[in-house]
Amino acid sequence: EAGVAQSPRYKIIEKRQSVAFWCNPISGHATLYWYQQILGQGPKLLIQFQNNGVVDDSQLPKDRFSAERLKGVDSTLKIQPAKLEDSAVYLCASSSARRVGYTFGSGTRLTVV
Amino acid sequence: AQSVAQPEDQVNVAEGNPLTVKCTYSVSGNPYLFWYVQYPNRGLQFLLKYITGDNLVKGSYGFEAEFNKSQTSFHLKKPSALVSDSALYFCAVRDAGGSYIPTFGRGTSLIVHP
Repeated sequence: EAGVAQSPRYKIIEKRQSVAFWCNPISGHATLYWYQQILGQGPKLLIQFQNNGVVDDSQLPKDRFSAERLKGVDSTLKIQPAKLEDSAVYLCASSSARRVGYTFGSGTRLTVV
Repeated sequence: AQSVAQPEDQVNVAEGNPLTVKCTYSVSGNPYLFWYVQYPNRGLQFLLKYITGDNLVKGSYGFEAEFNKSQTSFHLKKPSALVSDSALYFCAVRDAGGSYIPTFGRGTSLIVHP
């Protein structure tokens, strides 16, 4: 099966600029996750979607971060405006009810300067 | 290119018995290796990592992992399992000289039976 697709692979922006990341999960996977992994730390769940509904966004900094999954398939995560501390790897993952575990995308490395 | 394989979707073990969750990896350079755990309804939590030094790495909650370069493995172990260890476990690798983006395995569900 095709994997979880993420783009871009790398992004460098200046602070106060905006940025968007895109994720296309494995076909048929109803659950989609966005994780933020700061260097040296474990991944932190930002938001979890079930189809096009939000299940958990308790750790999403909603003053600057937003995410959507309008048609229950692909998803976009946006940061506006970016801060230096947003420099991290942003991982997308998806899962289905039929199989245990996630499939992670390759991630987007964001550097804010 | 880097990759991780967790060959078992599920591991079942009785409480008090030793447990092993398997992980093998592939990187072009030197590996940095990680184990994470996800308890139900919670995000991933860091357990332990291998960067350099002793092949046996000790981590949180009594877990340890052994780095075996010849077998390209980094199996997670615990001498005596607890029911509360039941969770989803992820192995991850990144190339020490690479892009800082880790590659995660698909996860192994550990079920510890009372």
